[in-house]
Amino acid sequence: QSVLTRPPSASGTPGQRVTISCSGSSSNIGSNAVNWYQQLPGTAPKLLIYSNNQRPSGVPDRFSGSKSGTSASLAISGLQSEDEADYYCAAWDDSLNGVVFGGGTKLTVL
Amino acid sequence: QVQLVESGGGLVKPGGSLRLSCAASGFTFSDYYMSWIRQAPGKGLEWVSYISSRSSYTNYADSVKGRFTISRDNAKNSLYLQMNSLRAEDTAVYYCAGSSSPWSPQWDYWGQGTLVTVSS
Repeated sequence: QSVLTRPPSASGTPGQRVTISCSGSSSNIGSNAVNWYQQLPGTAPKLLIYSNNQRPSGVPDRFSGSKSGTSASLAISGLQSEDEADYYCAAWDDSLNGVVFGGGTKLTVL
Repeated sequence: QVQLVESGGGLVKPGGSLRLSCAASGFTFSDYYMSWIRQAPGKGLEWVSYISSRSSYTNYADSVKGRFTISRDNAKNSLYLQMNSLRAEDTAVYYCAGSSSPWSPQWDYWGQGTLVTVSS
């Protein structure tokens, strides 16, 4: 069972805005930065958002991240078919002295 | 361009050992904190181990502590994972990943993964 809680699935139609949540605790999200990864089918994960709301170069501005207290969210606007993937949140956990992941949210573009 | 290439995966019996390697190129390997992350078939990501840029610090997930050892050779631009006392639940694709931020799951670079199967 993952330390970070998330919805196992999400869906939307092309052009819609979708939000994926990630809930943790004071020892992880509450005190450390959240990063988001996108994993397309059959490929390695790719860094999508770092330090809660920063986008690496090359990541479209349709992707945005936010954090409040012990929860974080990933928003995808202008949904496209190529956004269909698994999305993971990750944070350092001070109590475990290691990295914790959310279990992954499978995004389906209808 | 940046490349991380894992090797060493394969089929091993329970209780056996395996050594994974990750060859890095296209970036200053010695400046990066490196990790191993694994993904069991059809499951989510699980962080396994972390090593600092100069090998001063390492840490491990509780699930592998005492059985796995992470190491690196900056002269060879290589990362390693020695896996002993393997169990069926260690079956997964193992990814090496690099972070420019200390002790942060901000992995800028990932390899393509190598599959480890533990089965009799």
